[in-house]
Amino acid sequence: QSVLAQPPSASGAPGQAVFISCSGSTSNIGSRRRTVNWYQQLPGTAPKLLIYSNDQRPSGVSDRFSGSKSGTSASLAVSGLQSEDEADYYCAAWDDSLNHYVFGTGTKVTVL
Amino acid sequence: VQLVESGGGVVQPGGSLRLSCEASGFNFNAYGVHWVRQAPGKGLEWVGFMQDEGGNKFYADSVKGRSTLSRDNSRNTVYLQLSSLTSEDTAVYYCAKGSDYTNTALDSWGQGTLVAVSS
Repeated sequence: QSVLAQPPSASGAPGQAVFISCSGSTSNIGSRRRTVNWYQQLPGTAPKLLIYSNDQRPSGVSDRFSGSKSGTSASLAVSGLQSEDEADYYCAAWDDSLNHYVFGTGTKVTVL
Repeated sequence: VQLVESGGGVVQPGGSLRLSCEASGFNFNAYGVHWVRQAPGKGLEWVGFMQDEGGNKFYADSVKGRSTLSRDNSRNTVYLQLSSLTSEDTAVYYCAKGSDYTNTALDSWGQGTLVAVSS
């Protein structure tokens, strides 16, 4: 069972925004030493890094994706929804108590 | 940057296998490598991480004690040895490299190799 909880699904019409939450604890997201990363997994493909260090976008990632962290939770926002945004999204962070990396439970985004 | 996994296949319960992750296009010695797996229809599960230059190794509880990470920097390859396999180990196994920013941001992934544990 994952230590990072995400809603199983989220949806929005084209052009709208969706927000995905990621709830952790003081040993992972809530640790000052630790940052949150977000991954996008399109159907049938390997995951792709979307956001690193809470709110940073790798080169080539659209600015429609943004991340934030507050306390023991993090959030991913996808604005201006497009059909190609339909994918599974995972948060992840290092957990100091477990001494290993943990992924969130994953959220499936549907564009209506 | 490219990562290519190999070594997957059908394995009998209780068996073992060694997965390989061959890297190219970057200074392999300078980066840590993670293994992540995904069971059919399920989410991502982190399996293990080996720091650069053959440093510290970390394992998920689900594989600890029956898995070994190693790397051959001369071959730009990281290996994941798994033993005492059960149906719970059936998954696509990905390797991924840590990024320039932090070794816990996995910025390049392989295409995955499928491991099916079945009699």
